[in-house]
Order: sequence, then structure tokens, then C-alpha cells
Amino acid sequence: AQSVTQLDSQVPVFEEAPVELRCNYSSSVSVYLFWYVQYPNQGLQLLLKYLSGSTLVKGINGFEAEFNKSQTSFHLRKPSVHISDTAEYFCAVSEADSWGKLQFGAGTQVVVTP
Amino acid sequence: GAGVSQSPSNKVTEKGKDVELRCDPISGHTALYWYRQRLGQGLEFLIYFQGNSAPDKSGLPSDRFSAERTGESVSTLTIQRTQQEDSAVYLCASSLGLAGSNEQFFGPGTRLTVL
Repeated sequence: AQSVTQLDSQVPVFEEAPVELRCNYSSSVSVYLFWYVQYPNQGLQLLLKYLSGSTLVKGINGFEAEFNKSQTSFHLRKPSVHISDTAEYFCAVSEADSWGKLQFGAGTQVVVTP
Repeated sequence: GAGVSQSPSNKVTEKGKDVELRCDPISGHTALYWYRQRLGQGLEFLIYFQGNSAPDKSGLPSDRFSAERTGESVSTLTIQRTQQEDSAVYLCASSLGLAGSNEQFFGPGTRLTVL
């Protein structure tokens, strides 16, 4: 069975500083990896996804993530955050030969302050 | 409407009452999913529908939970005899089809509070 661990429940960061959100997963088969963002009182929105190919994936709003198969990680980064990046971020995994069931991490709350 | 919609946005009910939550998927999306998000936790899969196939109910936490979907349109999630531990945000998502690579588009959720 697959599992997803987000190592930080909350990450405070100053505006214009870089941020990294860590995600590790476990699975016995090939996986697809996703990062979703949830702004206050809104639904989840896809930031980026890794399906295959280049291990560095670029998403919306200046975010990127790198898939590391040997470390079973998919960390999310942004070089310079804005106040508007304050949100909860979820890492999710689905098995490549599955019907699409997403296994989510517990989430990381990012709070950006001036 | 371009996105997934859910109603009601908020529901407060008394323990023991039944509730019904509604989800309108994106038009043309054949797959529909229900998740539960408890406070401070990630999303927990409940059930999915794909076209006219039998739904996968493996994530439903008890027999008090049931869901229906008519064809490729609206879905309803029903919780009977609600308990306080049912308090959560219930999220619906839809996608073009069942595949691990397909993006799931989420609705804004229904916040259920059981008193």
C-alpha cells in the first residue's frame, strides 16, 4: 500500500524568501505525483504533476518540484514567495497502473508574512 | 459553470439526523470522486464512480455512508444517523476518466458539522 508523508505541518516564511515543502512517499509500484494547493475557503487546485520524463517539473505560480526516485521524494520549491502564496499545500500520489485513487499527505500550511 | 460545484457549502445538523450532500461535476467528466477532509488532516478517499460501472466503495467508513450517481451527472453522498466524528469537509472531484495520470478537479467542499 502506498503512503505519503509531508514532513512539515506548518512553514512560516517571509515574503520574497524561498520556500521548500517536503514530501516523501512509499509504494511498491511506479507512481504519479501531484502537488495541490488549497487557498482559504476554496477547493484544491493542481499546482503541478509528475507523470514521466524530466524529473524537474514546473507548475503554476512559479512553483517547481523535483522527483527523486532513489529517495522517494517529490519536494516542492519556490524561489521567492508572495503573500498570496499563503495556503495549504498537499502532496498526493497515485499508482501508475491504478484507476486514479489519490493518496494524500496531511498537508503543509504555508504562512507568508511581510 | 466551468468547475465542480457542491451544495450546500455548509451544513450543521444534530447527531442522529441524515444528511445529503450534492456534487455537480464538470460536464464531460466521466469519473467522480468523494473525499473527506478532517480538521488538520489530508484527504481521505471515500468512493468513486466511472461511467456506468459499479462504484468503488472501498473507502466508505461505515454502512451509514452511501453515494449515488446518475449516469455521468450529479452525485449525492448520504450519511445516515450522523455522528460527531462525521464532522469534516466533504470534497468532490471529477476527471476525464479513470487513470492515475488524469488531473482531478475539485469542488469547494461541503463543511459538515454534527452537534
